[in-house]
Amino acid sequence: QVQLVQSGSELKKPGASVKVSCKASGYTFTGYLMNWVRQAPGQGLEWMGWIDTNTGKPTYTQGFTRRFVFSLDTSVSTAYLEINSLEAEDTAVYYCARPYGWGILYAFDIWGQGTVVTVSS
Amino acid sequence: EIVLTQSPGTLSLSPGDGATLSCRASESLSNTYFAWYQQRPGQTPRLLIYDISTRATGIPDRFSGSGSGTDFTLTISRLEPEDFAVYYCQQYGSAPLTFGGGTRVEIK
Repeated sequence: QVQLVQSGSELKKPGASVKVSCKASGYTFTGYLMNWVRQAPGQGLEWMGWIDTNTGKPTYTQGFTRRFVFSLDTSVSTAYLEINSLEAEDTAVYYCARPYGWGILYAFDIWGQGTVVTVSS
Repeated sequence: EIVLTQSPGTLSLSPGDGATLSCRASESLSNTYFAWYQQRPGQTPRLLIYDISTRATGIPDRFSGSGSGTDFTLTISRLEPEDFAVYYCQQYGSAPLTFGGGTRVEIK
């Protein structure tokens, strides 16, 4: 079946980096963009941006342009989110999410299970 | 950026009640790119409604969406125990894509 499986929880110190993976299965990986969404503890959903799985071109929304990097390995149908120079405020659950059609004008019908990133000294 | 404001913040209801959740956009949406998601405690968000009023696959017909312009509504006709959750609205027609702050539907 169509699913996104993310890597496990991470505990990191401030200043470190983390790389979260999102492995797709059950569909053609390059047939859909991949979005990333953040949810801070007890808070709502915040769209971070997307990556074009055909070209590898990322698009970041404001607030996620400096330390955040989206990347792909299409040979294993996997998208990655790397966060550099981690800060305590980066503590959150990070989701990958696939839209139900090609392009950006589609809601997200498939979500990964989420990866908890905790930043603490 | 289109800001989405959801109301009320919390809705206290009993199983079998009807629920009406609202989402207001800071500017008129000129398209139909509007969705609702459900997030149960400790779970991943689930798409309920897309394109304002189309139910996603497997979503029961007690959930319905409506609205246009700046005002959108999610209606749950009869609450089942599994419907007590947080609901988020989203617009995906204008970048940056934005979500509302959520409405929690809790058991009274």
